Amino acid sequence: QVQLVESGGNVVQPGRSLRLSCAASGFPFNNFAMHWVRQAPGKGLEWVATIWYDGSHKYYADSVNGRFTVSRDNFKNTLYLQMNSLRVEDTALYYCARDRGRIEYSFDYWGQGTLVTVSS
Amino acid sequence: SYVLTQPPSVSVAPGKTARITCGGNNIGNEGVHWYQQRPGQAPLLVVFDDSDRPSGIPERFSGSTSGNTATLTISRVEVGDEADYYCQVWDGSSDQGVFGGGTKLTVL
Repeated sequence: QVQLVESGGNVVQPGRSLRLSCAASGFPFNNFAMHWVRQAPGKGLEWVATIWYDGSHKYYADSVNGRFTVSRDNFKNTLYLQMNSLRVEDTALYYCARDRGRIEYSFDYWGQGTLVTVSS
Repeated sequence: SYVLTQPPSVSVAPGKTARITCGGNNIGNEGVHWYQQRPGQAPLLVVFDDSDRPSGIPERFSGSTSGNTATLTISRVEVGDEADYYCQVWDGSSDQGVFGGGTKLTVL
């Protein structure tokens, strides 16, 4: 069965960096685009980043563009989110989500999330 | 940037029909996707590409679009349907994903 397991969330000070990982299993990872979506405490869902199945295209929300970098290792079946220059407003539960296909732009499987708290 | 507008809340009695709307400019030209999020859980895709259902999602969940509005319809509502519902599209003009603000469905 499809499994997505996020890790790397932590409490960090503003301006610091953090790298999130998402370990995927149960499906051919290199055939599916992947996404990061976040949810601030008590708030709605916010799309963060998308990477195509082969890593050839990457897209970012305006709120993170230039600070966050999405990447993938198709040999390790792992998705990453490098988060630099973190801000208090980046505090959220970060989900990785699988695309329905190579790039369909809808998310059919989600992990349980990893919590990032940015606070001084 | 593209904006999707949802009502903050919808209430319905068990066994009745709930309709949750999602407004966006020419949303009928986009592929609209809907997610259910129960408290403390990850989101679940319930409708994709306007009106298709993933396997395992009951036929009670259906979607439609017309003009500037997409609608998620839940027939014969059950207590277990109580959740937050989000619409989502991909904005091809900016290459960015967009979620609506979410609608809390309360089953009275």
